[in-house]
Amino acid sequence: EPEVTQTPSHQVTQMGQEVILRCVPISNHLYFYWYRQILGQKVEFLVSFYNNEISEKSEIFDDQFSVERPDGSNFTLKIRSTKLEDSAMYFCADSSGDSSYEQYFGPGTRLTVT
Amino acid sequence: DQQVKQNSPSLSVQEGRISILNCDYTNSMFDYFLWYKKYPAEGPTFLISISSIKDKNEDGRFTVFLNKSAKHLSLHIVPSQPGDSAVYFCAARENAGNMLTFGGGTRLMVKP
Repeated sequence: EPEVTQTPSHQVTQMGQEVILRCVPISNHLYFYWYRQILGQKVEFLVSFYNNEISEKSEIFDDQFSVERPDGSNFTLKIRSTKLEDSAMYFCADSSGDSSYEQYFGPGTRLTVT
Repeated sequence: DQQVKQNSPSLSVQEGRISILNCDYTNSMFDYFLWYKKYPAEGPTFLISISSIKDKNEDGRFTVFLNKSAKHLSLHIVPSQPGDSAVYFCAARENAGNMLTFGGGTRLMVKP
């Protein structure tokens, strides 16, 4: 069964550094999302992406964040200058875009900012 | 912002019995609801969903009930199995949007 995959599984970076988190969505899915979960808190929506542009974003998704689908298969989340409070699990998700609204999540990337 | 709330942080059930997980919401614009299961170090796994035009949806051992007037939904698992032990998240989608708003989760422990 097709799955959403994410790399790396764990990323450690220093404050102020740029990080790129990568996702490979399910091949025929059209909508892509990033969520994050800070330890002990809820899963929070960051951004949705459709037809090569952002369709929706939350207040968390400020100018430090960007998303891209550079080659038609990968979907990336970039954080330009990481802060300590960016430490979280980052989940990529996708959905098929048909009448069902189920989103399918990857295993996550644990980002630790020191 | 507590638009989706799961008031029970944990639930313990005996194997073979029914597990009932509850979720309340405040946003009347939510029109689609989903339940996810999450194991440690894994992403949320989709379980079952329900549209706001329905009051019940069943899939095998899992049934979701929606009470729109009370803004309440519940997930029933019967019979519960030890492999069901995980954190269960309720999530909701707002009409015409794509983002999911999650509850805080309920940790279910099914004892053999």
